[in-house]
Amino acid sequence: NAGVTQTPKFQVLKTGQSMTLQCAQDMNHEYMSWYRQDPGMGLRLIHYSVGAGITDQGEVPNGYNVSRSTTEDFPLRLLSAAPSQTSVYFCASRDRDTYEQYFGPGTRLTVT
Amino acid sequence: AQTVTQSQPEMSVQEAETVTLSCTYDTSENNYYLFWYKQPPSRQMILVIRQEAYKQQNATENRFSVNFQKAAKSFSLKISDSQLGDTAMYFCAFMKVFTGANSKLTFGKGITLSVRP
Repeated sequence: NAGVTQTPKFQVLKTGQSMTLQCAQDMNHEYMSWYRQDPGMGLRLIHYSVGAGITDQGEVPNGYNVSRSTTEDFPLRLLSAAPSQTSVYFCASRDRDTYEQYFGPGTRLTVT
Repeated sequence: AQTVTQSQPEMSVQEAETVTLSCTYDTSENNYYLFWYKQPPSRQMILVIRQEAYKQQNATENRFSVNFQKAAKSFSLKISDSQLGDTAMYFCAFMKVFTGANSKLTFGKGITLSVRP
């Protein structure tokens, strides 16, 4: 049981490049989320999903896209990277009954 | 909208002593969960303790306990017998209970705790 996995752990992009952050969970959780963590800001919700085929925007969705074709996977796409997207990104999935969120190890992204 | 406030950005405690981290929140909801997460230098988010709003009894997990004051909307974390491994950033978080969709966590800005040897 791997829990929530994220790849890559580190990434450096140039402004304007695109990339996909991968997230997968093996706990059969319906609920998955993406957060970004910036110094002094806590974690802020980017997008979330309540099941395959269903996604919605969180607090800071601009510049990011998501899709959910399977229960296990929830990738986050940066269409045209900007320096303001330099951050640490966390994927999480939630247990339906306990409301506990399980976090992946995070991806540190730097956009130059 | 819910807000979570952690007003102390940093705290320091001597090893083996007790420290309390403060958190207040604002909500009009009656049914919700409160959490404390620990983030050590490895950056992994680790659940420390969880409190259900409808339970009056304060949650405890080994050396960690909370003081949940629902009317005052206060949710403080007490760490007893502090250990060097407790050095980390601690986040307070709120989650509304839904029967359907949105399960987002609203986080405070965090507090950096340093345990001195």
